[in-house]
Amino acid sequence: QKEVEQDPGPLSVPEGAIVSLNCTYSNSAFQYFMWYRQYSRKGPELLMYTYSSGNKEDGRFTAQVDKSSKYISLFIRDSQPSDSATYLCAMPPSGGYNKLIFGAGTRLAVHP
Amino acid sequence: SQTIHQWPATLVQPVGSPLSLECTVEGTSNPNLYWYRQAAGRGLQLLFYSVGIGQISSEVPQNLSASRPQDRQFILSSKKLLLSDSGFYLCAWSLSGGYSNQPQHFGDGTRLSIL
Repeated sequence: QKEVEQDPGPLSVPEGAIVSLNCTYSNSAFQYFMWYRQYSRKGPELLMYTYSSGNKEDGRFTAQVDKSSKYISLFIRDSQPSDSATYLCAMPPSGGYNKLIFGAGTRLAVHP
Repeated sequence: SQTIHQWPATLVQPVGSPLSLECTVEGTSNPNLYWYRQAAGRGLQLLFYSVGIGQISSEVPQNLSASRPQDRQFILSSKKLLLSDSGFYLCAWSLSGGYSNQPQHFGDGTRLSIL
């Protein structure tokens, strides 16, 4: 079993839809959770960074963490064609050197 | 603010040729530095990381090596490229100093094609 699982998609939605992207993880010691957005032929950019359980909102984006289920989500409201990208979840394992474990990424296409 | 530069953006090399990819970070001191490879449609594979000048840790055995000659410079090299070295190479940095939960920040990558 991989430490972090993420459905690769692709996920295709119409403009204006609410998008839900999800990751599951196996290690209950994980406490910090990140979401990155990666446009084609570009490096990943940090989108959301959350700690422990609960919700964090930033504009149209909401990150949700459910530690009891070992499940994290990223919601995009009023999705736009410019949101079309690959979304990767990431989390640091316990221990040093600040390594991150990444999900495989979910490819999202928002069509007009 | 911090910025990360990676070059070249695209590179086409013949099998057996050498490789040197460079990454520099501005606006921070003593960052942790990372090299990743991303195969098409796949996740990120950590190749090397460095917590200081001359300190390199390798994550997977391979045909590549890394060096950190200066605090904010990270170089990925190969003496003889293989076809399997094709991919998208990403450099990243994060804060150091015991912060084990910090996010990483990526450059825009180098797309390497081996012919």
